[in-house]
Amino acid sequence: EAGVAQSPRYKIIEKRQSVAFWCNPISGHATLYWYQQILGQGPKLLIQFQNNGVVDDSQLPKDRFSAERLKGVDSTLKIQPAKLEDSAVYLCASSLGLAKNIQYFGAGTRLSVL
Amino acid sequence: DQQVKQNSPSLSVQEGRISILNCDYTNSMFDYFLWYKKYPAEGPTFLISISSIKDKNEDGRFTVFLNKSAKHLSLHIVPSQPGDSAVYFCAASAMEQGGSEKLVFGKGMKLTVNP
Repeated sequence: EAGVAQSPRYKIIEKRQSVAFWCNPISGHATLYWYQQILGQGPKLLIQFQNNGVVDDSQLPKDRFSAERLKGVDSTLKIQPAKLEDSAVYLCASSLGLAKNIQYFGAGTRLSVL
Repeated sequence: DQQVKQNSPSLSVQEGRISILNCDYTNSMFDYFLWYKKYPAEGPTFLISISSIKDKNEDGRFTVFLNKSAKHLSLHIVPSQPGDSAVYFCAASAMEQGGSEKLVFGKGMKLTVNP
């Protein structure tokens, strides 16, 4: 069974530029998550989708971050414009359902903002 | 405000001995706890979980203990193997309105198992 796919693996941009990350969850997984992991910290949830609807985006900095999952499968996370403090690993995860479900993570995209 | 705390950043043990990783939490509404393992350049992988209605869950060499009154859980690895060397994250969740759950992670602890 294929795991969660993310691209790109690495991205280096200058501050105030835009960047987008892509995620393809495990087939059949209805719930998709985007996490931000800053160096030395645990992953922090940014946004959670159930199919193509947003369940929780309370920790998403909406002035610069946006995410969509238009067809309920793939998802993109965008940062516009990027700040230095956005340097982190962005992890995508998916699970079968909303509660008491194991989340399966992709390898992540490491973003460096210079 | 850290709701899930892993106060020791690292642990080093000898191969074959027991590794004990600790985790404390502050939110009494948490009802589901998980441990994830992470190797460099990979995403976290699920290891073991425990529901708040239990105080112990075992899976092979891995056992998780939950002490609700102390808001403390621990992961025991017996016997430890060099391949267990990784960063371990403790995570907890609580049911929210709408039936969803949000995982809250600790900062992680680096385990090194020496041959």
